[in-house]
Amino acid sequence: NAGVMQNPRHLVRRRGQEARLRCSPMKGHSHVYWYRQLPEEGLKFMVYLQKENIIDESGMPKERFSAEFPKEGPSILRIQQVVRGDSAAYFCASSRDRGPDQPQHFGDGTRLSIL
Amino acid sequence: GESVGLHLPTLSVQEGDNSIINCAYSNSASDYFIWYKQESGKGPQFIIDIRSNMDKRQGQRVTVLLNKTVKHLSLQIAATQPGDSAVYFCAENRNYGQNFVFGPGTRLSVLP
Repeated sequence: NAGVMQNPRHLVRRRGQEARLRCSPMKGHSHVYWYRQLPEEGLKFMVYLQKENIIDESGMPKERFSAEFPKEGPSILRIQQVVRGDSAAYFCASSRDRGPDQPQHFGDGTRLSIL
Repeated sequence: GESVGLHLPTLSVQEGDNSIINCAYSNSASDYFIWYKQESGKGPQFIIDIRSNMDKRQGQRVTVLLNKTVKHLSLQIAATQPGDSAVYFCAENRNYGQNFVFGPGTRLSVLP
Protein backbone atom coordinates (compact mmCIF):
# COMPACT_ATOMS: atom_id res chain seq x y z
CA ASN A 1 0.00 0.00 0.00
CA ALA A 2 1.71 3.14 -1.20
CA GLY A 3 -0.84 5.50 0.33
CA VAL A 4 -0.67 7.69 3.40
CA MET A 5 -0.61 5.47 6.48
CA GLN A 6 -1.98 6.58 9.81
CA ASN A 7 -1.98 4.73 13.08
CA PRO A 8 -3.63 3.91 15.24
CA ARG A 9 -6.98 3.96 13.47
CA HIS A 10 -8.77 4.34 16.78
CA LEU A 11 -7.38 5.72 20.00
CA VAL A 12 -9.12 5.98 23.35
CA ARG A 13 -7.71 8.15 26.10
CA ARG A 14 -8.89 9.38 29.46
CA ARG A 15 -8.90 13.05 30.27
CA GLY A 16 -5.42 14.24 31.20
CA GLN A 17 -3.56 11.55 29.26
CA GLU A 18 -1.41 12.07 26.21
CA ALA A 19 -2.34 11.08 22.66
CA ARG A 20 0.24 10.41 19.97
CA LEU A 21 -0.91 10.07 16.39
CA ARG A 22 1.42 8.86 13.67
CA CYS A 23 1.48 9.48 9.95
CA SER A 24 3.70 8.04 7.26
CA PRO A 25 3.40 9.99 4.01
CA MET A 26 3.23 8.50 0.57
CA LYS A 27 6.51 7.36 -0.87
CA GLY A 28 8.38 10.29 -2.34
CA HIS A 29 6.32 12.88 -0.44
CA SER A 30 8.13 15.20 1.92
CA HIS A 31 5.26 17.54 2.82
CA VAL A 32 2.81 16.57 5.55
CA TYR A 33 -0.38 18.26 6.67
CA TRP A 34 -2.59 17.55 9.66
CA TYR A 35 -6.31 18.28 9.72
CA ARG A 36 -9.02 17.78 12.33
CA GLN A 37 -12.59 16.81 11.52
CA LEU A 38 -15.56 16.94 13.84
CA PRO A 39 -18.64 14.79 13.03
CA GLU A 40 -20.65 16.11 10.10
CA GLU A 41 -18.16 18.90 9.47
CA GLY A 42 -15.41 19.65 7.02
CA LEU A 43 -11.73 19.30 7.72
CA LYS A 44 -9.91 22.09 9.51
CA PHE A 45 -6.25 22.68 8.82
CA MET A 46 -3.92 22.39 11.78
CA VAL A 47 -0.28 22.28 10.72
CA TYR A 48 1.98 21.86 7.72
CA LEU A 49 5.41 20.30 8.05
CA GLN A 50 8.29 19.52 5.79
CA LYS A 51 11.07 17.23 6.91
CA GLU A 52 12.34 18.53 10.26
CA ASN A 53 10.57 21.86 9.84
CA ILE A 54 7.22 23.31 10.82
CA ILE A 55 6.17 25.52 7.92
CA ASP A 56 2.74 26.67 9.04
CA GLU A 57 1.10 25.97 12.39
CA SER A 58 -1.57 28.64 12.16
CA GLY A 59 -4.34 26.10 12.77
CA MET A 60 -2.81 24.52 15.84
CA PRO A 61 -4.17 25.33 19.28
CA LYS A 62 -1.59 27.32 21.21
CA GLU A 63 -1.42 24.90 24.10
CA ARG A 64 -1.18 21.12 24.47
CA PHE A 65 -0.76 20.41 20.74
CA SER A 66 2.53 19.85 18.98
CA ALA A 67 3.70 18.24 15.77
CA GLU A 68 6.96 17.00 14.37
CA PHE A 69 8.24 15.38 11.22
CA PRO A 70 11.71 14.03 11.93
CA LYS A 71 14.32 13.22 9.35
CA GLU A 72 13.64 9.54 9.89
CA GLY A 73 10.28 8.08 10.76
CA PRO A 74 6.69 9.20 10.66
CA SER A 75 5.19 12.55 11.47
CA ILE A 76 3.74 12.73 14.98
CA LEU A 77 0.84 14.80 16.22
CA ARG A 78 0.97 14.96 19.98
CA ILE A 79 -1.82 16.11 22.25
CA GLN A 80 -0.98 16.51 25.91
CA GLN A 81 -3.47 16.48 28.77
CA VAL A 82 -6.37 15.62 26.50
CA VAL A 83 -9.84 16.99 27.15
CA ARG A 84 -13.25 15.88 25.90
CA GLY A 85 -13.20 18.55 23.22
CA ASP A 86 -10.21 16.88 21.59
CA SER A 87 -12.43 14.01 20.47
CA ALA A 88 -12.38 14.09 16.68
CA ALA A 89 -10.97 12.41 13.61
CA TYR A 90 -7.45 13.54 12.80
CA PHE A 91 -6.34 13.23 9.20
CA CYS A 92 -2.91 13.43 7.75
CA ALA A 93 -2.23 14.32 4.13
CA SER A 94 0.94 14.44 2.11
CA SER A 95 2.11 16.00 -1.11
CA ARG A 96 5.20 15.63 -3.23
CA ASP A 97 5.95 19.31 -3.45
CA ARG A 98 4.71 22.63 -2.19
CA GLY A 99 2.80 24.77 -4.59
CA PRO A 100 -0.60 26.00 -5.67
CA ASP A 101 -1.41 22.92 -7.72
CA GLN A 102 -0.15 20.10 -5.59
CA PRO A 103 -2.94 17.75 -4.56
CA GLN A 104 -2.88 16.45 -1.05
CA HIS A 105 -3.50 12.76 -0.55
CA PHE A 106 -5.10 11.70 2.69
CA GLY A 107 -4.82 8.78 5.05
CA ASP A 108 -7.86 7.16 6.63
CA GLY A 109 -7.42 9.07 9.86
CA THR A 110 -7.18 8.39 13.57
CA ARG A 111 -10.42 8.55 15.52
CA LEU A 112 -9.60 9.91 18.95
CA SER A 113 -12.11 9.38 21.72
CA ILE A 114 -11.69 10.96 25.13
CA LEU A 115 -13.44 9.31 28.06
CA GLY B 1 -15.07 36.28 6.73
CA GLU B 2 -13.52 34.24 3.99
CA SER B 3 -14.99 30.78 3.65
CA VAL B 4 -15.77 27.96 1.34
CA GLY B 5 -19.34 26.76 1.56
CA LEU B 6 -21.89 24.61 -0.16
CA HIS B 7 -25.38 25.45 -1.33
CA LEU B 8 -26.90 22.03 -0.62
CA PRO B 9 -26.00 20.06 2.48
CA THR B 10 -27.75 16.88 1.23
CA LEU B 11 -28.55 15.57 -2.20
CA SER B 12 -30.56 12.49 -3.16
CA VAL B 13 -30.51 11.24 -6.75
CA GLN B 14 -31.81 8.21 -8.57
CA GLU B 15 -29.27 5.70 -9.76
CA GLY B 16 -28.36 6.48 -13.33
CA ASP B 17 -29.20 10.17 -13.09
CA ASN B 18 -26.64 12.94 -13.15
CA SER B 19 -25.62 14.65 -9.91
CA ILE B 20 -24.55 18.25 -9.47
CA ILE B 21 -22.89 19.35 -6.25
CA ASN B 22 -22.24 23.04 -5.75
CA CYS B 23 -19.72 25.06 -3.81
CA ALA B 24 -19.30 28.78 -3.21
CA TYR B 25 -16.07 30.45 -2.24
CA SER B 26 -15.40 34.00 -1.21
CA ASN B 27 -11.64 34.43 -1.65
CA SER B 28 -11.01 35.69 -5.15
CA ALA B 29 -7.28 35.09 -4.65
CA SER B 30 -7.75 31.32 -4.45
CA ASP B 31 -6.17 29.70 -7.47
CA TYR B 32 -6.59 25.98 -7.10
CA PHE B 33 -9.54 23.82 -6.13
CA ILE B 34 -10.05 20.15 -5.43
CA TRP B 35 -13.10 17.99 -5.01
CA TYR B 36 -12.78 15.20 -2.49
CA LYS B 37 -15.03 12.25 -1.80
CA GLN B 38 -15.22 10.88 1.72
CA GLU B 39 -16.82 7.56 2.51
CA SER B 40 -17.78 6.59 6.00
CA GLY B 41 -14.77 5.78 8.14
CA LYS B 42 -12.27 6.78 5.49
CA GLY B 43 -10.16 9.74 4.58
CA PRO B 44 -10.97 12.18 1.78
CA GLN B 45 -10.24 10.75 -1.63
CA PHE B 46 -9.05 13.01 -4.43
CA ILE B 47 -11.55 13.14 -7.31
CA ILE B 48 -10.60 16.01 -9.57
CA ASP B 49 -8.88 19.36 -9.43
CA ILE B 50 -8.96 22.59 -11.36
CA ARG B 51 -6.77 25.65 -11.55
CA SER B 52 -8.15 29.15 -11.69
CA ASN B 53 -6.97 29.66 -15.27
CA MET B 54 -9.47 27.02 -16.38
CA ASP B 55 -13.27 26.98 -16.30
CA LYS B 56 -13.89 23.31 -16.96
CA ARG B 57 -12.10 20.03 -16.47
CA GLN B 58 -13.31 16.53 -17.17
CA GLY B 59 -12.40 13.21 -15.67
CA GLN B 60 -13.94 9.80 -15.79
CA ARG B 61 -17.68 10.42 -15.25
CA VAL B 62 -16.90 13.65 -13.40
CA THR B 63 -16.67 17.24 -14.54
CA VAL B 64 -15.68 20.25 -12.50
CA LEU B 65 -16.84 23.71 -13.52
CA LEU B 66 -15.36 26.91 -12.19
CA ASN B 67 -17.06 30.28 -12.50
CA LYS B 68 -14.69 32.89 -11.16
CA THR B 69 -17.10 35.73 -11.83
CA VAL B 70 -19.51 34.50 -9.19
CA LYS B 71 -16.96 32.45 -7.24
CA HIS B 72 -18.76 29.20 -7.81
CA LEU B 73 -17.51 25.66 -8.23
CA SER B 74 -19.53 22.61 -9.15
CA LEU B 75 -18.97 18.88 -9.46
CA GLN B 76 -21.02 16.96 -11.97
CA ILE B 77 -21.22 13.19 -11.75
CA ALA B 78 -22.65 11.43 -14.77
CA ALA B 79 -24.76 8.28 -14.44
CA THR B 80 -24.58 8.27 -10.68
CA GLN B 81 -23.96 4.85 -9.15
CA PRO B 82 -24.55 3.46 -5.63
CA GLY B 83 -20.79 3.58 -5.06
CA ASP B 84 -20.93 7.34 -5.47
CA SER B 85 -22.80 7.67 -2.18
CA ALA B 86 -20.52 9.65 0.10
CA VAL B 87 -19.85 13.13 1.43
CA TYR B 88 -18.27 15.45 -1.12
CA PHE B 89 -16.06 18.35 -0.13
CA CYS B 90 -14.70 21.18 -2.18
CA ALA B 91 -11.35 22.46 -1.01
CA GLU B 92 -9.84 25.82 -1.82
CA ASN B 93 -6.11 26.37 -1.92
CA ARG B 94 -4.70 29.48 -0.39
CA ASN B 95 -1.35 30.81 0.59
CA TYR B 96 0.65 29.10 -2.13
CA GLY B 97 -0.38 25.59 -1.36
CA GLN B 98 0.34 25.48 2.33
CA ASN B 99 -3.12 24.35 3.26
CA PHE B 100 -6.58 23.82 1.91
CA VAL B 101 -9.79 25.32 3.24
CA PHE B 102 -12.59 22.78 3.14
CA GLY B 103 -16.27 23.43 2.76
CA PRO B 104 -18.75 21.77 5.15
CA GLY B 105 -19.57 18.98 2.70
CA THR B 106 -22.59 17.65 0.79
CA ARG B 107 -23.93 14.20 1.47
CA LEU B 108 -24.87 12.43 -1.76
CA SER B 109 -27.35 9.56 -1.46
CA VAL B 110 -28.00 7.41 -4.49
CA LEU B 111 -31.46 5.86 -4.53
CA PRO B 112 -32.03 2.49 -6.22
